[in-house]
Amino acid sequence: KAGVTQTPRYLIKTRGQQVTLSCSPISGHRSVSWYQQTPGQGLQFLFEYFSETQRNKGNFPGRFSGRQFSNSRSEMNVSTLELGDSALYLCASSLTGDRGQPQHFGDGTRLSIL
Amino acid sequence: DQQVKQNSPSLSVQEGRISILNCDYTNSMFDYFLWYKKYPAEGPTFLISISSIKDKNEDGRFTVFLNKSAKHLSLHIVPSQPGDSAVYFCAASDGSGGSNYKLTFGKGTLLTVNP
Repeated sequence: KAGVTQTPRYLIKTRGQQVTLSCSPISGHRSVSWYQQTPGQGLQFLFEYFSETQRNKGNFPGRFSGRQFSNSRSEMNVSTLELGDSALYLCASSLTGDRGQPQHFGDGTRLSIL
Repeated sequence: DQQVKQNSPSLSVQEGRISILNCDYTNSMFDYFLWYKKYPAEGPTFLISISSIKDKNEDGRFTVFLNKSAKHLSLHIVPSQPGDSAVYFCAASDGSGGSNYKLTFGKGTLLTVNP
């Protein structure tokens, strides 16, 4: 069974640009969550999508947005990039997002801002 | 305000011995806890979870203990193997927002198992 796939694996951008990251969940999984991992803050929740609807959002500025498509694939967009956005962005999927269902993570997209 | 704390950044044990990783939380609304393992350049991998209605859950070499009154949980790995060397994250959820949930993670503990 294929796992969670994130593309691209690595990305280099400059300040002020925007970026779109992609996540394909495990087949049959309809809940997709996004996390940011930095050395200082650890893993922090960005948002969660289910059936194309954002159900939950973390404490990040509006520059961070996302969407989910009808096939459950999800994209995350960051606009007006800042140096502090350099991080590993992780996507996780579960069947319905219900508690008791562990989230399965992809290997992440490493975003570097110059 | 860090709601999930892993106070030991690193832990080193000998192969075959027990590894005990600790996690403390401050939010009394947390009622579902998970442990993840992460190798470099890979995403976290789910290990084991526990609901607050239990105080112990076991899966093979991995056992998680929950002490709700102390707001403390621990992961025991017995026996430890060199392949267990990784960063271990504790995570918690409070079920906010209905059936969906978000995970609050600790900052991780690097476990090194020496042959």
